[in-house]
Amino acid sequence: GENVEQHPSTLSVQEGDSAVIKCTYSDSASNYFPWYKQELGKRPQLIIDIRSNVGEKKDQRIAVTLNKTAKHFSLHITETQPEDSAVYFCAASGSGGSNYKLTFGKGTLLTVNP
Amino acid sequence: KAGVTQTPRYLIKTRGQQVTLSCSPISGHRSVSWYQQTPGQGLQFLFEYFSETQRNKGNFPGRFSGRQFSNSRSEMNVSTLELGDSALYLCASSLSTSGGGELFFGEGSRLTVL
Repeated sequence: GENVEQHPSTLSVQEGDSAVIKCTYSDSASNYFPWYKQELGKRPQLIIDIRSNVGEKKDQRIAVTLNKTAKHFSLHITETQPEDSAVYFCAASGSGGSNYKLTFGKGTLLTVNP
Repeated sequence: KAGVTQTPRYLIKTRGQQVTLSCSPISGHRSVSWYQQTPGQGLQFLFEYFSETQRNKGNFPGRFSGRQFSNSRSEMNVSTLELGDSALYLCASSLSTSGGGELFFGEGSRLTVL
């Protein structure tokens, strides 16, 4: 089955700096890669996603890149703000029956220091 | 539009007991997934239902089961509870019928097994 590795597990940056979180996946048939943000005590919420036919996607200060050959994808947050502090999860889902299942990384705790 | 509703929010059980958790998806969403969230393992997929059919199941023992009703509401059951079952159980619904769509999570049911 699919396996998703996420690094780093914790990340601390100064306000205004950029933050990068990286994930690798094992199933070359995976074709959907979302990122979820979970603030302390809250539910996970989708912040951006990318499909395998796209190499990069941006939404204001957030961008995701996908390298299908290397089977890795990354989340980039620019001009970080204290409200970006949260746990970020990457995930992957495949084709066929695996399309109905998201495999998550173990999360990255991002702390943005004012 | 109401979000995903999970009940109960908190519950305490003892080893050997069983528990049933309930999830009401967003109106119109027919796909419901369940995830177990623990500090060390992140979000782990339990199962996914669509139109009362289980389309995929994660790597959990048979003590974990679920079902979906004709109104898309879903329940999951854990029998013969073990200490390691203590976790936050998250339900998520999706508008996507073919997988690979945004998951809308509930606030979760926090289970403590003593």
